[in-house]
Amino acid sequence: AQSVSQHNHHVILSEAASLELGCNYSYGGTVNLFWYVQYPGQHLQLLLKYFSGDPLVKGIKGFEAEFIKSKFSFNLRKPSVQWSDTAEYFCAVNGGSQGNLIFGKGTKLSVKP
Amino acid sequence: NAGVTQTPKFRVLKTGQSMTLLCAQDMNHEYMYWYRQDPGMGLRLIHYSVGEGTTAKGEVPDGYNVSRLKKQNFLLGLESAAPSQTSVYFCASRDAGSGYTFGSGTRLTVV
Repeated sequence: AQSVSQHNHHVILSEAASLELGCNYSYGGTVNLFWYVQYPGQHLQLLLKYFSGDPLVKGIKGFEAEFIKSKFSFNLRKPSVQWSDTAEYFCAVNGGSQGNLIFGKGTKLSVKP
Repeated sequence: NAGVTQTPKFRVLKTGQSMTLLCAQDMNHEYMYWYRQDPGMGLRLIHYSVGEGTTAKGEVPDGYNVSRLKKQNFLLGLESAAPSQTSVYFCASRDAGSGYTFGSGTRLTVV
């Protein structure tokens, strides 16, 4: 069965610090990879996705992620965070015949002004 | 183009009551999903559908039923609500090769 692990439950950073959120998945076949963001009280928004091609994916709001197939990883990065990036971030993977989207448990990011 | 619409947005139920959550999509997507979101648990798949007239169980299906009588609608039913079903419910849809579109969620409290 597929699973997704997000290593950090809660990350606290100061503005302008660099961000890297870890995501590892377990699935042996072809996968599609996603990062979603959920601002307080809001629904999920897609930050970026990887289907194929260049493993370095750029998303909205200055976020990027790198797919490293050998490590089964899809870490999210941002060079300089802002207070407005305070949110919960979810890594998700879909693969297999039905392609159901499996989520990690999420990482809360708190950015101090 | 509304995308994915969930109704209601909020609901409070008493233990043992029943209710139906409606998810409607106007993108002609084949696949539809119901997730629940709980603190520290991420989103967990309850049931899904790969086309009109089909449904299947996800990771946490107990206590829920679903129906997909029309392609654009995916209904989630709670026959006898329990406090453990207090959660935020998200519906999503997609087509083959496309990304997922999520609804804005339904916050359900069972007292």
